[in-house]
Amino acid sequence: KNQVEQSPQSLIILEGKNCTLQCNYTVSPFSNLRWYKQDTGRGPVSLTIMTFSENTKSNGRYTATLDADTKQSSLHITASQLSDSASYICVVYDRGSTLGRLYFGRGTQLTVWP
Amino acid sequence: EADIYQTPRYLVIGTGKKITLECSQTMGHDKMYWYQQDPGMELHLIHYSYGVNSTEKGDLSSESTVSRIRTEHFPLTLESARPSHTSQYLCASSLSGANVLTFGAGSRLTVL
Repeated sequence: KNQVEQSPQSLIILEGKNCTLQCNYTVSPFSNLRWYKQDTGRGPVSLTIMTFSENTKSNGRYTATLDADTKQSSLHITASQLSDSASYICVVYDRGSTLGRLYFGRGTQLTVWP
Repeated sequence: EADIYQTPRYLVIGTGKKITLECSQTMGHDKMYWYQQDPGMELHLIHYSYGVNSTEKGDLSSESTVSRIRTEHFPLTLESARPSHTSQYLCASSLSGANVLTFGAGSRLTVL
């Protein structure tokens, strides 16, 4: 079972609308959580990173939240644009092992329609 | 724009052929990685390197091999490609002590 679960699997919204993507994880011990955006045919690009002590962090129209107690994170996109159409991947870092390890979610495929 | 480059971006080859996917980065990162990504699935680590002459297999069993003769270069080789190798291959790099990855644009391999 994957230790990082994302929902929904896919989402279609109209341009200008807001949306929220969810990430639940069971990785322990937890070091940090990062959201990546992956455009079709491209590699993932980091949007934001959340450490244990952070609850909210914004990057333009993207706002990530983290509840380390319930092991949940969300990515809120405000006033969506066509260029927001992409896969959004949640990645959790476990610093507990000697070498550290990254756990990837399967991503949420967001489509923004005009 | 990321300073990590992958070639070829797209490759269609026949079964049994030998292929090498190239990955180069100009950021001086000592850690480099190869991930395999299939549609709707999470990225799977197939190889990683913590420096020159250091290579390790990742979580996902792979018939590919890698080499790290130079810091900036981390090629992946398949000696005999099969249809099961059809996938997207992503190269990434990071600094030691950091867990933020910089990804290349990917190489999409199709084996007929």
